[in-house]
Amino acid sequence: AQSVTQLDSQVPVFEEAPVELRCNYSSSVSVYLFWYVQYPNQGLQLLLKYLSGSTLVKGINGFEAEFNKSQTSFHLRKPSVHISDTAEYFCAVSGQGGSEKLVFGKGTKLTVNP
Amino acid sequence: DAGVIQSPRHEVTEMGQEVTLRCKPISGHNSLFWYRQTMMRGLELLIYFNNNVPIDDSGMPEDRFSAKMPNASFSTLKIQPSEPRDSAVYFCASSLLVEQFFGPGTRLTVL
Repeated sequence: AQSVTQLDSQVPVFEEAPVELRCNYSSSVSVYLFWYVQYPNQGLQLLLKYLSGSTLVKGINGFEAEFNKSQTSFHLRKPSVHISDTAEYFCAVSGQGGSEKLVFGKGTKLTVNP
Repeated sequence: DAGVIQSPRHEVTEMGQEVTLRCKPISGHNSLFWYRQTMMRGLELLIYFNNNVPIDDSGMPEDRFSAKMPNASFSTLKIQPSEPRDSAVYFCASSLLVEQFFGPGTRLTVL
């Protein structure tokens, strides 16, 4: 079974500042990793995914994440945030070659202030 | 493509009533997932189907909850009887390979 820990429940930042949202996972098998974003009163939208290959993954809206197998982490980063990035961000994991189930973290609420 | 479609978007009902939530997955997708989201418990997987067959329903809270997928383009999640603690946002998602596409959700309030 897999599990995900998002270390920060809330992250406030100022506009144009860099941000990192942390995600750690545990799994006994190789994994696929995902970051989803949820804007208020909307469903979840995929930001980026790691399936295999390069450990640095680029997604939409200028976000990127780096898969670190030794540290079992998949932190999300953006060098300069905008007000419109205010949302909740979810890290998720699934085991390769098995169930399609995604296990989600509890989410990190990113608030970008002017 | 219209994406995953859920109806209704909002539902307010009284305790004891039957509630039916509906989902139309993206055409061509072969897996469908029902999730529940609450402040206390976060995002929980209730059940998922592959090729219309329920694969894992271990997340269904109790016998009051049931889900069906009679064909590849339609699924329902039913709660009977409903209770106030069922109040949540219910999401449907579909996938073809690994990535899941989420619908806009149904906000259920049970009074």
